Amino acid sequence: GEDVEQSLFLSVREGDSSVINCTYTDSSSTYLYWYKQEPGAGLQLLTYIFSNMDMKQDQRLTVLLNKKDKHLSLRIADTQTGDSAIYFCAEWNYGQNFVFGPGTRLSVLP
Amino acid sequence: NAGVTQTPKFRILKIGQSMTLQCTQDMNHNYMYWYRQDPGMGLKLIYYSVGAGITDKGEVPNGYNVSRSTTEDFPLRLELAAPSQTSVYFCASSLLGTDNQPQHFGDGTRLSIL
Repeated sequence: GEDVEQSLFLSVREGDSSVINCTYTDSSSTYLYWYKQEPGAGLQLLTYIFSNMDMKQDQRLTVLLNKKDKHLSLRIADTQTGDSAIYFCAEWNYGQNFVFGPGTRLSVLP
Repeated sequence: NAGVTQTPKFRILKIGQSMTLQCTQDMNHNYMYWYRQDPGMGLKLIYYSVGAGITDKGEVPNGYNVSRSTTEDFPLRLELAAPSQTSVYFCASSLLGTDNQPQHFGDGTRLSIL
């Protein structure tokens, strides 16, 4: 079945860039998503990329997709303390359900 | 802008008790989902529904039941609560079948079984 993997923890200093990585196994994935979960809250959609794209930029967020390696990354420029959260990678394809990774806990140090 | 609303936010149950977690959405979404999130883990799909009157099992359905009598509501029922069901439960909805339609999540129900 499909599987989505992420590293569980990442620490960066405030002002640096954060790069959160994700790998997936389903080569037919149509959309790939990044969600953010703050403490005590539900998941909030940050951004997404369609599988025929290789890059998408949205303000401080840059998503890179390498379909050949089935690798997705989320880069957060100028990381702030408010970016501290758990970030989930998810994939979706027509006729199937969403598959989520285990989440990467981002800690931003002052 | 209510979106997806879950009630209650917190609940403590005794082993063997039953309860229903409520979920309602006001976005006229066809698809609705129930997930559980255990500490340090990702989301596991319990049940989902592609429309009123249609439900299907997800990855971890045992111990749960759902119904979808209306488009708006998708309650999750625990019949005989067990400690293994201690978790945070998230309801989500999406409007699939068109261009990219991500899931919208509720704020979660934190359930402890003692």
